[in-house]
Amino acid sequence: DAGVIQSPRHEVTEMGQEVTLRCKPISGHDYLFWYRQTMMRGLELLIYFNNNVPIDDSGMPEDRFSAKMPNASFSTLKIQPSEPRDSAVYFCASSTSGGAPVWTQYFGPGTRLLVL
Amino acid sequence: GQQLNQSPQSMFIQEGEDVSMNCTSSSIFNTWLWYKQDPGEGPVLLIALYKAGELTSNGRLTAQFGITRKDSFLNISASIPSDVGIYFCAGQANTGNQFYFGTGTSLTVIP
Repeated sequence: DAGVIQSPRHEVTEMGQEVTLRCKPISGHDYLFWYRQTMMRGLELLIYFNNNVPIDDSGMPEDRFSAKMPNASFSTLKIQPSEPRDSAVYFCASSTSGGAPVWTQYFGPGTRLLVL
Repeated sequence: GQQLNQSPQSMFIQEGEDVSMNCTSSSIFNTWLWYKQDPGEGPVLLIALYKAGELTSNGRLTAQFGITRKDSFLNISASIPSDVGIYFCAGQANTGNQFYFGTGTSLTVIP
């Protein structure tokens, strides 16, 4: 039973470059979340989708960040241009509204991003 | 955004001891989740709570949904070295499906 899949697992890039993070949620889950984790700020919700539609993007740091979910099995988080302060672990998580009250989130392994 | 206060921030205990940690919020939640995160991995769900006063166990772990709906507690009995990690609480408010996370409790178990 596959969990949330994220790629790449590690990314090292130079300041100014575009970075694309990918996520495949658990099949059948209709909610998808993007989080960022740093030592200073802990886990922060960036954006979440319901049925492929962005519901709340108030956590997206600035216009350099964008997220898309073209279909139920794929989402991307893009940073353009990247900056050193974007270095963090980015997690994708999914959940389902089916079988309520099962409001539980399942996390992927994360993408460790280092911007030099 | 919503702030969840988790305490303690860190704990150093001897193997075999029991552990208690808690999470409080400034507003009411209708769901509480507890996660454990190992180094280099994503958070893994331990226990989910859906009703005020609910007490749920998962092996040596027991979590409770506070009566006020503004807090939750996690207890680990007879700790073992593999309990080492960071434990996070997460809460969901009455509206939407957005979860808010606590700052984490780092647990170290000394053999």
